[in-house]
Amino acid sequence: EVQLVESGGGLVQAGRSLRLSCAASGFTFDDYAMHWVRQAPGKGLEWVSGISWNSDNIGYADSVKGRFTLSRDNAKNSLYLQMNSLRAEDTALYYCAKGGVEIVVPGMDFWDYWGQGTLVTVSS
Amino acid sequence: QSVLRQPPSVSGAPGQRVTISCTGSSSNIGAGYDVHWYQQLPGTAPKLLIYGNDYRPSGVPDRFSGSKSGTSVSLAITGLQAEDEADYYCQSYDNSLSAYVFGPGTKVTVL
Repeated sequence: EVQLVESGGGLVQAGRSLRLSCAASGFTFDDYAMHWVRQAPGKGLEWVSGISWNSDNIGYADSVKGRFTLSRDNAKNSLYLQMNSLRAEDTALYYCAKGGVEIVVPGMDFWDYWGQGTLVTVSS
Repeated sequence: QSVLRQPPSVSGAPGQRVTISCTGSSSNIGAGYDVHWYQQLPGTAPKLLIYGNDYRPSGVPDRFSGSKSGTSVSLAITGLQAEDEADYYCQSYDNSLSAYVFGPGTKVTVL
């Protein structure tokens, strides 16, 4: 059974940093791209960042580029999102999501499993 | 403002058929990127409903179907049931943004 468990969320002041983690199990982690998708309270879904199976390709939404850094540790089946210079508009539920295609070509992915999310609240 | 456009809401009586459109442009759907659909029930994580424009993951009822024509795609729900009340999002990739993009979501209400 595929499981994605996020952690690291919390309340933080604007300008500070936070590191999110996602522990994956139930599938061959290093065969799939992994992503973070967020949802602000009462709003829609927004893709934040994604990383290829081998970390060669990493993409970011314009809204977080230069502030967030995505990485993965295939030996630990884990995904990380380092969030710096946090802003009030980063307040959201952050979901870890598994790519749906093995060794996917960038741009062709979708997300077949999602975690339950970790809440990040940035106070201004 | 979302790159992909969806109606904010659709509704139907139990048993009826409803469709949700998702319209893009030449830098996303029109460029040939696939569209995928997610269902989000209240208070839960999104669930993959349709991938690759018209493929259903195992376990998704065949009441849900996807189609694509040019720069528009649609999600159809036939035999609408009360449990289908949820938000539905389309998703694709935009090569001018170099980013994955979602539509704003459509709320389905079962009357």
